[in-house]
Amino acid sequence: KQEVTQIPAALSVPEGENLVLNCSFTDSAIYNLQWFRQDPGKGLTSLLLIQSSQREQTSGRLNASLDKSSGRSTLYIAASQPGDSATYLCAVSDTDKLIFGTGTRLQVFP
Amino acid sequence: DAEITQSPRHKITETGRQVTLACHQTWNHNNMFWYRQDLGHGLRLIHYSYGVQDTNKGEVSDGYSVSRSNTEDLPLTLESAASSQTSVYFCASSPGGRTNGYTFGSGTRLTVV
Repeated sequence: KQEVTQIPAALSVPEGENLVLNCSFTDSAIYNLQWFRQDPGKGLTSLLLIQSSQREQTSGRLNASLDKSSGRSTLYIAASQPGDSATYLCAVSDTDKLIFGTGTRLQVFP
Repeated sequence: DAEITQSPRHKITETGRQVTLACHQTWNHNNMFWYRQDLGHGLRLIHYSYGVQDTNKGEVSDGYSVSRSNTEDLPLTLESAASSQTSVYFCASSPGGRTNGYTFGSGTRLTVV
């Protein structure tokens, strides 16, 4: 059974820092991995989708990497801003279902 | 623009009542999913469908049912609501396949009193 773990569970940093959020999964036979952002009381916004054959994806200040063989992904946030404060969720797709980690709650203070 | 919409946004119901949450997508996606989100558990899969007339149980399906009579809709029914089903419910859709991601609705907050 696929299990997804995210570390750390919570993170509080000053504005401007570069951040790394970690995601690990137990079964490397995945279709793809998706990072989402969730603001309090809101839905999920897709940030980045990495195919199983890819090593990384970039969108603006966000970069996600995937090491399928070791069951790990990282989300790198450059030059963090208070507007980045949210919960970040990692999810892997296998057999056409998404399995979620429990998320990293990020607070960026001015 | 294509979208996925959930209704209602908020619902309060009494224990034992039947409740149906709606999910409608205009992406023409084959695959649709229902998740619930609870503190300490993250998002857990309730039911999913890979096409019309197809439904499957997820990891927390007890007390829930779905039906898929067309491509656009996957309503979630709580047969007899229980306080343990108080949660935020999210619907998602995907074209399916190895290269496609998932799109989520805005969620329904359900309170069972």
